[in-house]
Amino acid sequence: NAGVTQTPKFQVLKTGQSMTLQCAQDMNHNSMYWYRQDPGMGLRLIYYSASEGTTDKGEVPNGYNVSRLNKREFSLRLESAAPSQTSVYFCASFSAGAGELFFGEGSRLTVL
Amino acid sequence: GDSVTQMEGPVTLSEEAFLTINCTYTATGYPSLFWYVQYPGEGLQLLLKATKADDKGSNKGFEATYRKETTSFHLEKGSVQVSDSAVYFCALIGGGYQKVTFGIGTKLQVIP
Repeated sequence: NAGVTQTPKFQVLKTGQSMTLQCAQDMNHNSMYWYRQDPGMGLRLIYYSASEGTTDKGEVPNGYNVSRLNKREFSLRLESAAPSQTSVYFCASFSAGAGELFFGEGSRLTVL
Repeated sequence: GDSVTQMEGPVTLSEEAFLTINCTYTATGYPSLFWYVQYPGEGLQLLLKATKADDKGSNKGFEATYRKETTSFHLEKGSVQVSDSAVYFCALIGGGYQKVTFGIGTKLQVIP
């Protein structure tokens, strides 16, 4: 029972490099989310996708793009990484039936 | 918009002490309320939830009651253990599009 799977778990980038964080869920959920977690800031929503083919900005979308490739997959892309994007990133999916979020294990990104 | 307020901590307790972590919220309508827990190096996992006023959520000895009159959902445990050391997030789901709003998280340290 995989749940929500994120890759990579760790990544170090130089300023200006690009990368994509991958997320997949096997629970047939419609809604998926990307959060970032920073000390003293809690979890902040970057982007979310209420259903396949739709995406919307959250609280802190600047510097990020997302793609809802299909119902299972929701990727987060940093086109030109900045040190301010050093953070732990969490992908989540929402179960309408259970009324709760399920989280991946997180991806720790460091931008030098 | 929706918001959740909780103390950041850290809260340091001795083993077997009583725990209270306060959580208050602002939301329109009738949100569902949650406590998530994050153990070191892991993602968030649901601890307990309540979907309507006066509901009590409980799990692993933790309890929280949905108080609409005081817009609160305080987390309590009668006797904490070292294994309860983690970060605890209060959250709510409001509106019609399943957007989840988190508090900043409260770090709990339990010492033997």
